[in-house]
Amino acid sequence: GAVVSQHPSWVICKSGTSVKIECRSLDFQATTMFWYRQFPKQSLMLMATSNEGSKATYEQGVEKDKFLINHASLTLSTLTVTSAHPEDSSFYICSARDSPRKTTSALMAQHFGDGTRLSIL
Amino acid sequence: GIQVEQSPPDLILQEGANSTLRCNFSDSVNNLQWFHQNPWGQLINLFYIPSGTKQNGRLSATTVATERYSLLYISSSQTTDSGVYFCAVGGYQKVTFGTGTKLQVIP
Repeated sequence: GAVVSQHPSWVICKSGTSVKIECRSLDFQATTMFWYRQFPKQSLMLMATSNEGSKATYEQGVEKDKFLINHASLTLSTLTVTSAHPEDSSFYICSARDSPRKTTSALMAQHFGDGTRLSIL
Repeated sequence: GIQVEQSPPDLILQEGANSTLRCNFSDSVNNLQWFHQNPWGQLINLFYIPSGTKQNGRLSATTVATERYSLLYISSSQTTDSGVYFCAVGGYQKVTFGTGTKLQVIP
């Protein structure tokens, strides 16, 4: 089945550094990938939609300059948290969308990575 | 945007007990799915159920789209059922997750 690999799974770094998270679709091409953020004991919130070869679409309230998204190929999207601070600590999850024509549901066509736990000291 | 509320927010069960989790949504939806997020954060697909009833082992789900709610039933709960259960609704571009139900099954 469709597999999404997210790396790293866990990262700890000092305040002020930038952190890059990768999301790869391993056995399918994903023209669209999604980035979610989850605070402790809260739900997943969509941050942005990443489209291959074009600029990402950010949800209201998400800082574009803080969370840089690049989707340079059909199998890879990256999220870079720039100049990270402790308030950026969170659980980040990506999903990649397979062709909706292959499934009965656009939601089903999204395949989720295992997430990245980011801790900024 | 669409609002997705789940109840109860927290649930503690004795192993072997049954439970019902509810998902209410504020607008008509074409897609609805239930996920289990395990303690390591992994999202595990349970059901795709925009309408009707489905069963998979000890789990079953029912969605009444006209009344904008879905139910997830867990029977004979096991400690491995612990975690957070999310419903999510979506379309082609966007998925909205519910508020979640945290389930703890104690031996």
